[in-house]
Amino acid sequence: GAGVSQTPSNKVTEKGKYVELRCDPISGHTALYWYRQSLGQGPEFLIYFQGTGAADDSGLPNDRFFAVRPEGSVSTLKIQRTERGDSAVYLCASSLGRTLSYEQYFGPGTRLTVT
Amino acid sequence: RKEVEQDPGPFNVPEGATVAFNCTYSNSASQSFFWYRQDCRKEPKLLMSVYSSGNEDGRFTAQLNRASQYISLLIRDSKLSDSATYLCVVLSYNTDKLIFGTGTRLQVFP
Repeated sequence: GAGVSQTPSNKVTEKGKYVELRCDPISGHTALYWYRQSLGQGPEFLIYFQGTGAADDSGLPNDRFFAVRPEGSVSTLKIQRTERGDSAVYLCASSLGRTLSYEQYFGPGTRLTVT
Repeated sequence: RKEVEQDPGPFNVPEGATVAFNCTYSNSASQSFFWYRQDCRKEPKLLMSVYSSGNEDGRFTAQLNRASQYISLLIRDSKLSDSATYLCVVLSYNTDKLIFGTGTRLQVFP
């Protein structure tokens, strides 16, 4: 069946611009996660949604980062006033429920480059 | 200090070799443990969960030592297709956050 999909696969933007990254989770998965992976590092947690609400946004680095999931399915990660340090691969994952009981399945990621 | 620490490698081993990766974690209240595999420019995929009693899946054996806060992965009879980065992952206590190590790169050569 269809896995987690993310669009775009690559995004190049200029410093100071606004970007939106989209995640389509596996159908029926209520939990959705965003991670960021910089070169040579493991993924770093950003935010977790259970349904429509952000259950844990403790990983968002600052108020330039915001994410929504208005209908409990597709999610959008929004980055304002992008900085060169925001360049990374942004990974989305989804699961049937809480991580203690269910595997997280990752999408292929969006590679963001800020010039 | 990072919450999950791994030797980044790379480990270069011939086909058929046995290789072991180690990982330590700092939060003693961490509740679940995993090894993920990540191929170059691909997403991480769950390789196996790690249990205190140790568990095996074919050529792969994972061990957890809660007292030492140490996790290991042993790969026997390495194949060329095992070449990848292996990520040690911990589920943070009472949260749904996966905490990843930096990964250990394995290169198996003919």
